[in-house]
Amino acid sequence: DAGVIQSPRHEVTEMGQEVTLRCKPISGHNSLFWYRQTMMRGLELLIYFNNNVPIDDSGMPEDRFSAKMPNASFSTLKIQPSEPRDSAVYFCASSPDLSTDTQYFGPGTRLTVL
Amino acid sequence: GEDVEQSLFLSVREGDSSVINCTYTDSSSTYLYWYKQEPGAGLQLLTYIFSNMDMKQDQRLTVLLNKKDKHLSLRIADTQTGDSAIYFCAERAYGQNFVFGPGTRLSVLP
Repeated sequence: DAGVIQSPRHEVTEMGQEVTLRCKPISGHNSLFWYRQTMMRGLELLIYFNNNVPIDDSGMPEDRFSAKMPNASFSTLKIQPSEPRDSAVYFCASSPDLSTDTQYFGPGTRLTVL
Repeated sequence: GEDVEQSLFLSVREGDSSVINCTYTDSSSTYLYWYKQEPGAGLQLLTYIFSNMDMKQDQRLTVLLNKKDKHLSLRIADTQTGDSAIYFCAERAYGQNFVFGPGTRLSVLP
């Protein structure tokens, strides 16, 4: 299995632009998680899905952030409009289901907002 | 709420043992994990332990759990330069979210 796939690996954009991050979970995994990692705040859970349904989005910083999972093999995290403080590494992780003990992380997308 | 704490930095000499410590607050934690993050990469699951266990050994890695003190440690025997990375402790109660610590940056000196 290729593992969790994220794209792009690096994104540089200007303040005010829309940014879309993509994730393909491991085939057969039913749960998908979006995390943000910064030096200041460490690893933060933004939102997670189970069977394509958002379960908890309380970690989403504000309305500029939105996430979708239209099918079992694809999810997006969108920031519109982006701001410099959104600069971070965004990780996607998947898990067979919510009760399973492990999550498998993708390589991350490094976002820089100028 | 749940909280996981770790010291932020650790330096050891190549060939020595490394011990990375972690404390957590959620007494209902069911699973406790150690993840490794190398520069520019995602988190890689190293090992995990169920809360009803005291110890787990996997090759050079030994995990010790003191449930009474809510203390978890990861020992890396014969530490190599390739072990240089950030190590994250995480805990999870059944059906709940993962809670990650801030990570411990391990530097292995030649």
